[in-house]
Amino acid sequence: GIQVEQSPPDLILQEGANSTLRCNFSDSVNNLQWFHQNPWGQLINLFYIPSGTKQNGRLSATTVATERYSLLYISSSQTTDSGVYFCAVLYNFNKFYFGSGTKLNVKP
Amino acid sequence: GAVVSQHPSWVICKSGTSVKIECRSLDFQATTMFWYRQFPKQSLMLMATSNEGSKATYEQGVEKDKFLINHASLTLSTLTVTSAHPEDSSFYICSARAPTSGGDPYEQYFGPGTRLTVT
Repeated sequence: GIQVEQSPPDLILQEGANSTLRCNFSDSVNNLQWFHQNPWGQLINLFYIPSGTKQNGRLSATTVATERYSLLYISSSQTTDSGVYFCAVLYNFNKFYFGSGTKLNVKP
Repeated sequence: GAVVSQHPSWVICKSGTSVKIECRSLDFQATTMFWYRQFPKQSLMLMATSNEGSKATYEQGVEKDKFLINHASLTLSTLTVTSAHPEDSSFYICSARAPTSGGDPYEQYFGPGTRLTVT
């Protein structure tokens, strides 16, 4: 199967700081998505980004498929950004695998 | 668009009973749905792939006789946890892929999850 690893596992930021979350995957993938899981467990879809760069407000993401990694950038972090961030990849056009997650805590 | 719902959002049941969880695509047809489980402070683990009109494909280590999956229509997949035990307590999440939505056919849409507690 494919391995999906995220780093760092935990991240503590002061409000207003910037951060970069990384997702490495061990094989070619068909799709990559970034999610934010809120305290109630709901997965909020942040980006669908199999390649290239996308931006949405304070968030942006870049996937370099040839080098098998993706980055999620959070700028000017807010306390509401706290939670767990997952990347997930579609492998062999069939199965969707999640990374281990990055737990972000933004302090006021 | 591309909304996926789950019912119930939480359920408590007694050990030995069965529980059915529904996953519905509300505004699109989904030929393929996926079921995941998530233990506290862990990632989501794929349990099975549900295909409309055919048998589900289970991941290694997932007991297909314990976790019965039925994808009877293009908008509904159900997961039944049979003879539930406390170790089955978990957060169960479904997702759907929408090849006819007009968006990318490989984008996944997730339900809000169902929290199961077995006492």
